[in-house]
Amino acid sequence: DTGVSQNPRHKITKRGQNVTFRCDPISEHNRLYWYRQTLGQGPEFLTYFQNEAQLEKSRLLSDRFSAERPKGSFSTLEIQRTEQGDSAMYLCASSEPGHNEKLFFGSGTQLSVL
Amino acid sequence: GEDVEQSLFLSVREGDSSVINCTYTDSSSTYLYWYKQEPGAGLQLLTYIFSNMDMKQDQRLTVLLNKKDKHLSLRIADTQTGDSAIYFCAEILPTENDYKLSFGAGTTVTVRA
Repeated sequence: DTGVSQNPRHKITKRGQNVTFRCDPISEHNRLYWYRQTLGQGPEFLTYFQNEAQLEKSRLLSDRFSAERPKGSFSTLEIQRTEQGDSAMYLCASSEPGHNEKLFFGSGTQLSVL
Repeated sequence: GEDVEQSLFLSVREGDSSVINCTYTDSSSTYLYWYKQEPGAGLQLLTYIFSNMDMKQDQRLTVLLNKKDKHLSLRIADTQTGDSAIYFCAEILPTENDYKLSFGAGTTVTVRA
């Protein structure tokens, strides 16, 4: 296991389409986070899971966004009816039990909505 | 983010020291971080410092923390071309149920020969 893995690396879609991203955290990391990063900005927190439970959602996460982590391992982030403003890098991170202060990030999924 | 502030650009000659500065917002933040992001890549945790420390050194990296002024800095000694990247300062902020990382906008470091 070499780190947090995200797929796809890039996604181009038309406005109004639905998209889904996947994140595979580091094995045995119980916490999984989603962040969004737009050009020239730092990442912004969207949501996080502890095991399969989604414990926190940012106000940035509109009702078109849904995240799941059904078995407490990989997670998916779905965006319905995409808008041009959804174009961003979507970053996933994970942390191990007892060390939630250390987040390890994946390479991200770059979403472009045309 | 919640106003973690960093200068946007830094240009440094190879072999010189780089110093990246950051001011953060929450004096009760327990941890403060430096992340590095290379083009097309995710964020790599470089180092972090616990709030009861005022300095941490890790090979070529030195972190200085001034809690009174809420100022954090990262010094990279003997800067190399591979150090060219965007460097993000981050602090832990409380959320409704837990904590989250709040990032600055990043400092783009360019190393010139």
